[in-house]
Amino acid sequence: DTAVSQTPKYLVTQMGNDKSIKCEQNLGHDTMYWYKQDSKKFLKIMFSYNNKELIINETVPNRFSPKSPDKAHLNLHINSLELGDSAVYFCASSYSGADTGELFFGEGSRLTVL
Amino acid sequence: AQSVTQLGSHVSVSEGALVLLRCNYSSSVPPYLFWYVQYPNQGLQLLLKYTSAATLVKGINGFEAEFKKSETSFHLTKPSAHMSDAAEYFCAVSFTGTASKLTFGTGTRLQVTL
Repeated sequence: DTAVSQTPKYLVTQMGNDKSIKCEQNLGHDTMYWYKQDSKKFLKIMFSYNNKELIINETVPNRFSPKSPDKAHLNLHINSLELGDSAVYFCASSYSGADTGELFFGEGSRLTVL
Repeated sequence: AQSVTQLGSHVSVSEGALVLLRCNYSSSVPPYLFWYVQYPNQGLQLLLKYTSAATLVKGINGFEAEFKKSETSFHLTKPSAHMSDAAEYFCAVSFTGTASKLTFGTGTRLQVTL
């Protein structure tokens, strides 16, 4: 069983379109994240949810809207896609009570905007 | 603000040679330090972490890192490189120990040659 799973793995779309990425974790964690990794491998946090509540919201355009229906799921919807949105988006999870700093990552969703 | 600097975006070693990947942090308080590894087309996974216990930390796959406060460093080493070690390595820092406050370095790509 995959611990943190994301779908789809690959997304190719045109500028201006809207797309969603879904993430699910079966580790029993209470905190989930979205990270963006650009073409230079730089990894930057976008959002974090703890028990369905938004706790981290970095400087991200309003076109990006996360949603957490329950603590095992975190989705990312992107409106009006732009060329600069092309990146690999990683979902991750952790347990806030563990205090170990360990994140568990999904395999990533590679978004290409043409 | 917390930060880590990884010296060398690309390191190449021969199989069997010593691996040394450098990481320096900036902090006014004791940090929690981590090394994550990303294999091609995969998410990141934790290699090892320093959380103020022993300064020499052993991780998976024969890697270890030493916390040196006087040098503000947390370099990653492995005595003998294996072809399977080829990956991207990320140093990360947190000042709370919680995953939600991790800041990643820019990564170092390790290439292992025959």
